[in-house]
Amino acid sequence: DAGVTQSPTHLIKTRGQHVTLRCSPISGHKSVSWYQQVLGQGPQFIFQYYEKEERGRGNFPDRFSARQFPNYSSELNVNALLLGDSALYLCASSLRAAYGYTFGSGTRLTVV
Amino acid sequence: DQQVKQNSPSLSVQEGRISILNCDYTNSMFDYFLWYKKYPAEGPTFLISISSIKDKNEDGRFTVFLNKSAKHLSLHIVPSQPGDSAVYFCAAAGLSNFGNEKLTFGTGTRLTIIP
Repeated sequence: DAGVTQSPTHLIKTRGQHVTLRCSPISGHKSVSWYQQVLGQGPQFIFQYYEKEERGRGNFPDRFSARQFPNYSSELNVNALLLGDSALYLCASSLRAAYGYTFGSGTRLTVV
Repeated sequence: DQQVKQNSPSLSVQEGRISILNCDYTNSMFDYFLWYKKYPAEGPTFLISISSIKDKNEDGRFTVFLNKSAKHLSLHIVPSQPGDSAVYFCAAAGLSNFGNEKLTFGTGTRLTIIP
């Protein structure tokens, strides 16, 4: 059984550039969420999508955007990258929280 | 504003003994509480959850206790094993009208099991 898959696993970008991160949820999961984890902190909620609609947005600037496709995969886009965007970006899929979100292994983004 | 707090950044426990990890929360709207375990270079792995209508949930060596009046939950691991060494995150979820169960995480506790 394939779990939540994220690509790429690692990425180095320069300040001001744009980045796109990708996520494929577990088969049958229609909800995809994105989290940012900086070193020493817990994951912070960025977005949730359910049935291709945005259902929640965390306290992140408009430089962050996302979308969900008809096959329930998702992309997270970040424009005008800042050094502070360096983090582990996690994607999670779920039926609902009662069953526990399943996380992917993340994309490690480094902005230089 | 840290709505979910894990005040112990690290904990060391002898193999075979009980590990107790604690978590406090401030938001009364949280309905579900979850514990995740994270190894380096991996995503968090779901361990166990508890609904706000219960005060205890058990799954094998893992038991979660919820004290709603104190806004406190704890994870007990008995007996502790070397493979339990990891960072443990407490997370809380609240339901919205759209069924958006976003997770609010604590900062994590690094558990080290000493052989």
